[in-house]
Amino acid sequence: RKEVEQDPGPFNVPEGATVAFNCTYSNSASQSFFWYRQDCRKEPKLLMSVYSSGNEDGRFTAQLNRASQYISLLIRDSKLSDSATYLCVVNRPLNYGQNFVFGPGTRLSVLP
Amino acid sequence: NAGVTQTPKFRVLKTGQSMTLLCAQDMNHEYMYWYRQDPGMGLRLIHYSVGEGTTAKGEVPDGYNVSRLKKQNFLLGLESAAPSQTSVYFCASRPGHLYGYTFGSGTRLTVV
Repeated sequence: RKEVEQDPGPFNVPEGATVAFNCTYSNSASQSFFWYRQDCRKEPKLLMSVYSSGNEDGRFTAQLNRASQYISLLIRDSKLSDSATYLCVVNRPLNYGQNFVFGPGTRLSVLP
Repeated sequence: NAGVTQTPKFRVLKTGQSMTLLCAQDMNHEYMYWYRQDPGMGLRLIHYSVGEGTTAKGEVPDGYNVSRLKKQNFLLGLESAAPSQTSVYFCASRPGHLYGYTFGSGTRLTVV
């Protein structure tokens, strides 16, 4: 099993739609979880951290289910500017000095 | 406040040539990282550093060397470039192990 797996995508949705991204991770000892977005030919940028109780930032909601080792990102009322690749990121607690492992990403295209 | 700066942004090398990629951060971050990103492979860790004077191997260290003589700089060296090292290289830094990364804008390297 891969350390971090995401929906393969791509997702093509109309403006205003709600879209959900799913991510699973294999190491039950992982403690830190993030969602990054990466625009085409740009560097990844931190979108939001994921907290145990779930958290929301405007149109974005992140949730964590430790029992199922599952993370989700929900985007409501999607905008054209949300088009990007979304990366699920999890820390490696026992290896590599607690570095992160990145999922392969799910590409989103929001269509007019 | 520049954040994380990578130089050069683009480079074409011939097989067997050597080069050094420079990463500089002005945020006083302890941890610094070098990743490579290839289509369909996601981000893979090459080397990392948890403080000035320290370095450690990541997932794909072969063919690369690093140095962190000053806290703000992390250098990635290719001693004898190979076509398999054609990739986009990202440097990242963070203040501590539970924080998210800040990435540089990347270096696009082609080895012919």
